[in-house]
Amino acid sequence: EAGVAQSPRYKIIEKRQSVAFWCNPISGHATLYWYQQILGQGPKLLIQFQNNGVVDDSQLPKDRFSAERLKGVDSTLKIQPAKLEDSAVYLCASTPGSRTGEQYFGPGTRLTVT
Amino acid sequence: SQKIEQNSEALNIQEGKTATLTCNYTNYSPAYLQWYRQDPGRGPVFLLLIRENEKEKRKERLKVTFDTTLKQSLFHITASQPADSATYLCARTDSWGKFQFGAGTQVVVTP
Repeated sequence: EAGVAQSPRYKIIEKRQSVAFWCNPISGHATLYWYQQILGQGPKLLIQFQNNGVVDDSQLPKDRFSAERLKGVDSTLKIQPAKLEDSAVYLCASTPGSRTGEQYFGPGTRLTVT
Repeated sequence: SQKIEQNSEALNIQEGKTATLTCNYTNYSPAYLQWYRQDPGRGPVFLLLIRENEKEKRKERLKVTFDTTLKQSLFHITASQPADSATYLCARTDSWGKFQFGAGTQVVVTP
């Protein structure tokens, strides 16, 4: 079974530029999560999708971050414009069915904003 | 707001000993507590899940407990090995699916 795929693995941009991350969850997984993990901290939930609907985006900085999950499969997370404090690893995860079950994580995208 | 706290200090332990990690939460008990392992440069990997009505769960050399009175979960690695060196994350899940991770505790097992 293929795992959660993410791309790119690394990205370096200047502040005020825009960037997009892509995630392909495990086939059949209905729930998809985007997390931000700053060095030395635990993952912080940005947004949670159930199929193509948003379940929780309470911690998503909506003035600069946006995410979509068209057709309930792949998802993209965008930052526009980026700030220095957005430098972090962006992790995507999915769960098989129940929204309370164990999560399967991708390798993450390391973003550096200069 | 809900909080979930782990010891931020790294745990240094000798090979063969038992490592014990603590996860404390505030306010109401979560429906589940989950433990994950994270290696540098990689995403977290699921290890164990324990439900609110369960006291203890085991998987090979791993054991997790859930004490709703103390609002605490303990995670044990018995007969620790250098390969167990990693950061271990605790996560709470509420019954409606809200998920929250702790900051993690780094474990270093020396031969």
